[in-house]
Amino acid sequence: GAVVSQHPSRVICKSGTSVKIECRSLDFQATTMFWYRQFPKKSLMLMATSNEGSKATYEQGVEKDKFLINHASLTLSTLTVTSAHPEDSSFYICSARAAGATSRGEQFFGPGTRLTVL
Amino acid sequence: AQRVTQPEKLLSVFKGAPVELKCNYSYSGSPELFWYVQYSRQRLQLLLRHISRESIKGFTADLNKGETSFHLKKPFAQEEDSAMYYCALSYGGATNKLIFGTGTLLAVQP
Repeated sequence: GAVVSQHPSRVICKSGTSVKIECRSLDFQATTMFWYRQFPKKSLMLMATSNEGSKATYEQGVEKDKFLINHASLTLSTLTVTSAHPEDSSFYICSARAAGATSRGEQFFGPGTRLTVL
Repeated sequence: AQRVTQPEKLLSVFKGAPVELKCNYSYSGSPELFWYVQYSRQRLQLLLRHISRESIKGFTADLNKGETSFHLKKPFAQEEDSAMYYCALSYGGATNKLIFGTGTLLAVQP
């Protein structure tokens, strides 16, 4: 089946530093990748939609200068949290939609990255 | 605006009992709905989608446009069904974004 990986799975950083999270589709090409944020005991909140070779589309209320997204290839998207602060601590999850998928909403999810900002 | 509502945060049943996880949605367009499941320490994965009208692991869900509902049902719960279940709605036209409900934790007691 379609597998999506994320790296790192867990990261701890100091306030003010930047952190990069990678999302890879391992056995399929993903024209579209999505980045979510999940707060404890809450649902997934879509942050942005990333299309290969174009700028990401951010959801309302998400700072695009703080959460930089790059989708340079059909198998890799990166999320960089710039100048991280403790309130950015969260669980970040990516998902990918396979190229040519017939089902509108089917997405394959990564395992998530736990970010802790001290 | 689109919205997905799962009224129950926790549903606890005994093994062999019927299960119904409720999901209601609000969407002005033609809805496409999904149930995603997250087992303990695993990633989110697709359980079923309404357009397939399929039964997966004994679970079924019927889209009721009149009641704007997409409840997930299983006649006889198993312990291995214990997981977090999320109802999701696809929207955004070609973008195919998903909006998730807040999730229901299903706990099946032995």
